[in-house]
Amino acid sequence: LAKTTQPISMDSYEGQEVNITCSHNNIATNDYITWYQQFPSQGPRFIIQGYKTKVTNEVASLFIPADRKSSTLSLPRVSLSDTAVYYCLVGDNPTMNYGGSQGNLIFGKGTKLSVKP
Amino acid sequence: DVKVTQSSRYLVKRTGEKVFLECVQDMDHENMFWYRQDPGLGLRLIYFSYDVKMKEKGDIPEGYSVSREKKERFSLILESASTNQTSMYLCASSPLHATSENIQYFGAGTRLSVL
Repeated sequence: LAKTTQPISMDSYEGQEVNITCSHNNIATNDYITWYQQFPSQGPRFIIQGYKTKVTNEVASLFIPADRKSSTLSLPRVSLSDTAVYYCLVGDNPTMNYGGSQGNLIFGKGTKLSVKP
Repeated sequence: DVKVTQSSRYLVKRTGEKVFLECVQDMDHENMFWYRQDPGLGLRLIYFSYDVKMKEKGDIPEGYSVSREKKERFSLILESASTNQTSMYLCASSPLHATSENIQYFGAGTRLSVL
C-alpha cells in the first residue's frame, strides 16, 4: 500500500510556474499516480494521471522519474483561480484488492496552494 | 460529462436521528464511494461498493452503513446520528478498469450538521 507525502502548503504569485512534489517510496509496479484539485465547498476534480516519464494535458504536466518514487505536478503560469488543495494518490484499481482501503483511495491532507496577485 | 449528484448540499439533523445521504451517478460506473472530509484531516474513506449489493469497509466505517440496490445509486446511512458525525460528506464514482485508470468523479458534497 503506497503512502504519499506532500507539502502541507505552498505560496505562489500569479504568472509563476508551480511545482508540487509528492513522495511515494513504496509504489508498486501496477500503481498509477493521480492528482486531484479541490476548491472550497466542492468535491475533488481529476487533473492528471501518469505511470512514468512525462504526461501533459491542457491543465498541467506530471513528471515521474525512472524510479517512480516521487512525482511532480507542474502548473504553468498560475492564476488566482488555481488557489486550491491538490492531492496526490498512488494505487491500483480498488476492486482488485478486497478488505480495506487502497492507495488510490487515500487522499490524505493534500497541498494547499495559495496564489497571490 | 460524468455527473454525480448528491441529494442535499446542506442538512441539519438532531442527535439520534436516522440520516440518509443519497448519491446518484449517470455514467454506469461500477465503483461508488463515500468519504467524509474534516478540517485538518483530509478526505477519509467510509465505504465503497464495486457492484450492486456489494460493499467494502473503508478506513472509518464505524457508525455508518451503506446500501447499493441499484447500480446508479449509493446511499450512506447514519443509523443514529451523533455530533461527531458533523462533517462534509463526498460521494464519488469510477469505472471498473483492468488497469489503474480508475479516475474518481465526485459530487458537490453534503454538509451535515448534527445538533
